[in-house]
This record gives sequence, structure tokens and C-alpha cells, in this order.
Amino acid sequence: GAVVSQHPSRVICKSGTSVKIECRSLDFQATTMFWYRQFPKKSLMLMATSNEGSKATYEQGVEKDKFLINHASLTLSTLTVTSAHPEDSSFYICSAARKGYNEQFFGPGTRLTVL
Amino acid sequence: AQSVTQLGSHVSVSEGALVLLRCNYSSSVPPYLFWYVQYPNQGLQLLLKYTSAATLVKGINGFEAEFKKSETSFHLTKPSAHMSDAAEYFCAVSEPAGGSGGSNYKLTFGKGTLLTVNP
Repeated sequence: GAVVSQHPSRVICKSGTSVKIECRSLDFQATTMFWYRQFPKKSLMLMATSNEGSKATYEQGVEKDKFLINHASLTLSTLTVTSAHPEDSSFYICSAARKGYNEQFFGPGTRLTVL
Repeated sequence: AQSVTQLGSHVSVSEGALVLLRCNYSSSVPPYLFWYVQYPNQGLQLLLKYTSAATLVKGINGFEAEFKKSETSFHLTKPSAHMSDAAEYFCAVSEPAGGSGGSNYKLTFGKGTLLTVNP
């Protein structure tokens, strides 16, 4: 149980295009989903927290107009990187949690490369 | 704000040797503490967690960690390393995430420790 999937696992796009990454909780209802960014050989940096049906809460320094997060249902959250640039290339990981629980279940990650 | 410090960005051990990965935390409230493992190009897998119950926590794959409040530490150990243990290990502390409707917790990660196991 508690499986989280991400799609796509890898994406390569041209500079200036937008990319959408999906995060799904497959066997539980996730009232909260988290989006992280991980640079090579670095730790995970929390980008934003989203609660189902509410606007996402972004961490300081994260551009909310650049990284659009939608959490429209209890099993799906999406991260859209708008007008992507090479500096947005990174490994993006989502996690999901049930209400009241302090454990997060992580997706396998999405490798974004912007040319 | 809570924080986590992992001492040693890289630890190398021989197969069969003791594994010790160090983690210290700072927190103004009783913490929840976690150890995660990450294999290359994959997400994070939970090894174990401390949530104010027993101070010695046993996890998967033979790992365990001991919560020591006086030392603000949560070091990860395994008696005998296997080649398959080679990976990146992250210690994390949680705090309430807040936000509307949210009663969940967000994680603050340490910088990670890369464990290599030599034959």
C-alpha cells in the first residue's frame, strides 16, 4: 500500500515550452501533496505544499507563477513548469500524505532536461 | 525553524563492517525524525521513523536508529553492511505544514550521506 506514481519519469523539452508533471497516489487519498526539487548530489528542497482543493503554499524563493501547482483531487497533483529554461533542469520529486499523518510517501521522481 | 545536520557527506565501509551514519537535529518542539534511502535516479524510501515512542527504532533491511534527546541525535546503524546498501541516505525532521485544511507535516532534510560499500 501507499504507492505514489509520477509521470513522466523523464522529459526533455526546448527552452520556452511548458512541461506538466503528474503525481498520483494510487491506493490512498492524499489530502496533502508536496513537491521537491533535487539538484545533482544535493538534498531535496521543498518547493511547495498543496492541500486538495486549496491553493498551494510555496516556500520562500520559489516563483509561484513559474511553478504552477494544482491539487484538484485526492489522488492527483500536477506541477507545471512554465516557460522552462535550462536552469530549471532538475530532478523533481513529489510526495503524498494522508490527513493527520506525519509520514510522506514519495514518488519515483521526474528528470527534467531543458535544452 | 527546525534543521538537520548530517555529519559526513560520504561514508565508505567494507562489506560486513558496521555502518554508522550520523544525524543531529535542532527543534523547538518534540521532533518526528526519519531516515530515508535513495538509489540513483529514484525517489525516497522510508527506512525508519521516530515518533516519540521507543527511542530505539528498528527499520527495514536491518537498519536501526536511536533517538538521544540529550545529544539531539538520531544516528543510523547497521551491524553488517551489504553491497546492496550502497546508496544516498537522508535524515529528516518534520514540523506542521500548516495551510488551509492541512494538518500534515512538512519535512526538512539533511544534505545526505553517500554510503559506499567496498567488497
